[in-house]
Formats: sequence, C-alpha cells, structure tokens
Amino acid sequence: KNEVEQSPQNLTAQEGEFITINCSYSVGISALHWLQQHPGGGIVSLFMLSSGKKKHGRLIATINIQEKHSSLHITASHPRDSAVYICAVRNGGGATNKLIFGTGTLLAVQP
Amino acid sequence: GAVVSQHPSWVICKSGTSVKIECRSLDFQATTMFWYRQFPKKSLMLMATSNEGSKATYEQGVEKDKFLINHASLTLSTLTVTSAHPEDSSFYICSAPTANQPQHFGDGTRLSIL
Repeated sequence: KNEVEQSPQNLTAQEGEFITINCSYSVGISALHWLQQHPGGGIVSLFMLSSGKKKHGRLIATINIQEKHSSLHITASHPRDSAVYICAVRNGGGATNKLIFGTGTLLAVQP
Repeated sequence: GAVVSQHPSWVICKSGTSVKIECRSLDFQATTMFWYRQFPKKSLMLMATSNEGSKATYEQGVEKDKFLINHASLTLSTLTVTSAHPEDSSFYICSAPTANQPQHFGDGTRLSIL
C-alpha cells in the first residue's frame, strides 16, 4: 500500500463543475503539498499546508491532520484546469526533507 | 517569486553519449536540490538528493556511477547521465525547497536516447 493515496485516479468534468480530489496518507507529516503538472511536464506548486485551509483564486485546499486526509477543490472548473494534480507529503523534519508523492489524479475538464 | 531553471528542456542523443542536465535556482540559494525521474503516466520517483559542498544522497536502486550529481554552488546542481542507453530515456525534473515555502520545480528535461 502506498504511503500517499489519491482518489480518483482519473476524473472527467464539464466546464463549471465543482471538483474535489482527495489525498490520504499513512505517515506522520510536517507539510502536505498540492502540485499541478501540465501535459508539457512542468510542475507548479499550488499549496503547502500543515493545518486548516488555504484558498487561492478558484482553488481551495484543506487538511485534517487527525484523519490524515487532504482535499483539493476547484470551483467553476475550466478546460485550462486540465492537468495532473499530485499530492505530496513531507515526512517530518525541515524543508530539505524529501517528499513522498501520490500517484496523481488526471483531470480533464471538457468545454 | 523564487524560480528554478532547468536546462535543456529536451535532448535527443545517441546511445553511449553522456548528457548533462542543469538545475539553477535563480533568486535564492539552494543548499539542497532534488532530482526526480518520471516514467509516462507515473508519478515522480526521487533519484537523489543533491547537497551543496558534499556528496549526493542516492535512493536505493539508483546507480551512482550512472547518474552523476554535482552541486557546484548554492545555485547550481547538475545531473549527468553517463553512457546513456535507450532505457535511460525519461523525463527528469529537479526541485529546490525553501524554508516555509512550497517546493520550486524546474520545467523538466525530456531525454531521448536513440
């Protein structure tokens, strides 16, 4: 069993829909990251969370430390949101500790 | 904001060639950088942790002599794929952490060995 599990693995949505991607982890963490990878391969860091909730534009990320679970929400989805979304956790320690990655969620938003 | 530049973005070369990939932190100092490999439709696989001024730490199963890492300065780490073969073809990407900030990733290098 992977230490970081994401669901769903694939998601197709219609433009405008509200989207939720889930991440569960089984290790102790000091931070959780949500990353976005576009077809060209480049990775953008969307959020880094250690507790609570963060919002940036149409994106919202929440984390429940007790339940070891995080969610990424996209409101009013748009075709440009189509990408792979990756959850990654930092297993303790400082910023130079390596990340443990989930397998990613491939999101396709259709117009 | 902080940016990591990775070069080249795409390279094709003949089998047996050595290929060097550079990862630069443009506006911050990175004592640590990470090198990842990604297979199609798979997640990132950590290859090694590059440490400025000391030897890199390689993950289990990664050949040190095959994938040479040099962290020459606080803003530059290089990954050299030595005597590359078709099975080394992959997408390689680096990242640099900053204190209390998200990780910053390079745009990746797509390596194709003929």
